[in-house]
Amino acid sequence: GDSVTQMEGPVTLSEEAFLTINCTYTATGYPSLFWYVQYPGEGLQLLLKATKADDKGSNKGFEATYRKETTSFHLEKGSVQVSDSAVYFCALSEPSGTYKYIFGTGTRLKVLA
Amino acid sequence: NAGVTQTPKFQVLKTGQSMTLQCAQDMNHNSMYWYRQDPGMGLRLIYYSASEGTTDKGEVPNGYNVSRLNKREFSLRLESAAPSQTSVYFCASSGAGGNTEQFFGPGTRLTVL
Repeated sequence: GDSVTQMEGPVTLSEEAFLTINCTYTATGYPSLFWYVQYPGEGLQLLLKATKADDKGSNKGFEATYRKETTSFHLEKGSVQVSDSAVYFCALSEPSGTYKYIFGTGTRLKVLA
Repeated sequence: NAGVTQTPKFQVLKTGQSMTLQCAQDMNHNSMYWYRQDPGMGLRLIYYSASEGTTDKGEVPNGYNVSRLNKREFSLRLESAAPSQTSVYFCASSGAGGNTEQFFGPGTRLTVL
């Protein structure tokens, strides 16, 4: 079945460092891809999304490009801040119209001042 | 506009007790979902409702029941709680179609002793 694999954390960076969190997926069709962020004690909220190959999603300095050839959707940010400390989830929505979403296991990011 | 609300925020149960987790959304979304979040497991879908009047099993439905009471409300019931059901439970909703963003509630932290 469809699946999402993302790098295990925790990832610890110094403020202003470059961030990459890897995400790869398997899907039989053409899913939409998402990155969600979860701050401590809160629910998930959408960070960015891409709905077709080569689309780039971006928000709050974060970017991710839908790469169909490598089945990847890696999250990047050029300069992280302490406030970016959170858990990041990669997810896909199945293209078959079954209304199901599949989430990765999450990557915890800790940014040190 | 409250988005997705969940009650209660915290709950402690004894093994064998029952309870219902409530979820409501005010975004006029057709689809609603229940997930559980466990350390190292990411989010796992328990049940979902693609539209009012329909419900379907997700990845981990055993031990749970759901009711889509109307378009706004989607409840999750534990008939006989077990320690394995200790988790954080999230309700989510989305508009029509499987490629749209999901909106999450703040979660219910459940402990079963």
